[in-house]
Amino acid sequence: QQQVKQSPQSLIVQKGGISIINCAYENTAFDYFPWYQQFPGKGPALLIAIRPDVSEKKEGRFTISFNKSAKQFSLHIMDSQPGDSATYFCAARRNGQNFVFGPGTRLSVLP
Amino acid sequence: KAGVTQTPRYLIKTRGQQVTLSCSPISGHRSVSWYQQTPGQGLQFLFEYFSETQRNKGNFPGRFSGRQFSNSRSEMNVSTLELGDSALYLCASSNQETQYFGPGTRLLVL
Repeated sequence: QQQVKQSPQSLIVQKGGISIINCAYENTAFDYFPWYQQFPGKGPALLIAIRPDVSEKKEGRFTISFNKSAKQFSLHIMDSQPGDSATYFCAARRNGQNFVFGPGTRLSVLP
Repeated sequence: KAGVTQTPRYLIKTRGQQVTLSCSPISGHRSVSWYQQTPGQGLQFLFEYFSETQRNKGNFPGRFSGRQFSNSRSEMNVSTLELGDSALYLCASSNQETQYFGPGTRLLVL
């Protein structure tokens, strides 16, 4: 119930392409879903987040799509750049509880 | 606004020793959470402190403990270190919803 599943484990995309990372959860009490980006040697940095009352949120090249009935959400990176090469984590949290993180996706964008 | 700071950044210890890690949250943030990050296990939640009280706790043995001070700064202690405790320890502070991570302390246990 507390798990967040994330796929794929790794992803290779050509520069200019679309990167898509998917996450799924079981606990319907989760009410906040952030995505984090982590570069080697750094802590995770918040990228974008969504609440379940919204089906999509876009910030620049990054978009979260949220499907409440399927209990799934995904991160889309449009026009992927080599600088986007990092590990991406999805997470979920119920208000007042701790965050639960997905296992991460290592993205490599080829020049 | 200054970000989350963690000290030290790197640490080498031997089995059986104990270690204390420190975290200073973003000014105004009252919640501090600690995570262990390893290549095989990802980000594992250790515990969260809010206004000097432990609010949530993960599934780690009692060797892992923490505390939070009145200025919201937090410390994490690991006693009787084991080889498997080698990891990146991340601290995150939050302002009710959004969580911001520090750079982490990389601990190597020999």
